[in-house]
Amino acid sequence: ILNVEQSPQSLHVQEGDSTNFTCSFPSSNFYALHWYRWETAKSPEALFVMTLNGDEKKKGRISATLNTKEGYSYLYIKGSQPEDSATYLCASYSGAGSYQLTFGKGTKLSVIP
Amino acid sequence: DTGVSQDPRHKITKRGQNVTFRCDPISEHNRLYWYRQTLGQGPEFLTYFQNEAQLEKSRLLSDRFSAERPKGSFSTLEIQRTEQGDSAMYLCASSFVGNQPQHFGDGTRLSIL
Repeated sequence: ILNVEQSPQSLHVQEGDSTNFTCSFPSSNFYALHWYRWETAKSPEALFVMTLNGDEKKKGRISATLNTKEGYSYLYIKGSQPEDSATYLCASYSGAGSYQLTFGKGTKLSVIP
Repeated sequence: DTGVSQDPRHKITKRGQNVTFRCDPISEHNRLYWYRQTLGQGPEFLTYFQNEAQLEKSRLLSDRFSAERPKGSFSTLEIQRTEQGDSAMYLCASSFVGNQPQHFGDGTRLSIL
């Protein structure tokens, strides 16, 4: 079973601030990393699927980078807005033909207006 | 595309009873996944199907849990002889084959009295 760690566990930022979180995962047998956003009372929403070392993906004010050699990914939010308040989850595949996604515990972001 | 739907949204039952949940995935998706999520944790993989075949099942999954996807469309998850520790949010997701983002339903929240 993979060990996927996320930090910080929770975060409060002021509206307009930029912020970032970390996801760390085992670098051996890496296959892919997923990022999801989970707003309260809604279903998790896919943000990014990343596979290649050095990958950088962007969706509006949110971007993510991937380092498969050292086993980490960063998620950045530029100019946070109250609607960005959610739990951000990362998940990694264990590889070797398995499609069992292992999720971290998430980073809960609260954006204060 | 109506998204992934799960039924019921909430289920309250007494310890020892059997419960069954239903998931209707996005119709074009071949893969269907079940997860369990408890407070403060990320979603925990339970099992997944490709069409009607159950391809992976978590080694941590009790034999009281069984899942089916008889015609490769909707799926059911049954828990027999429920225990207090089964109280959780049960999430269903679907995706295309390959390393694709997963689309989640709103989940079924199970409470065991």
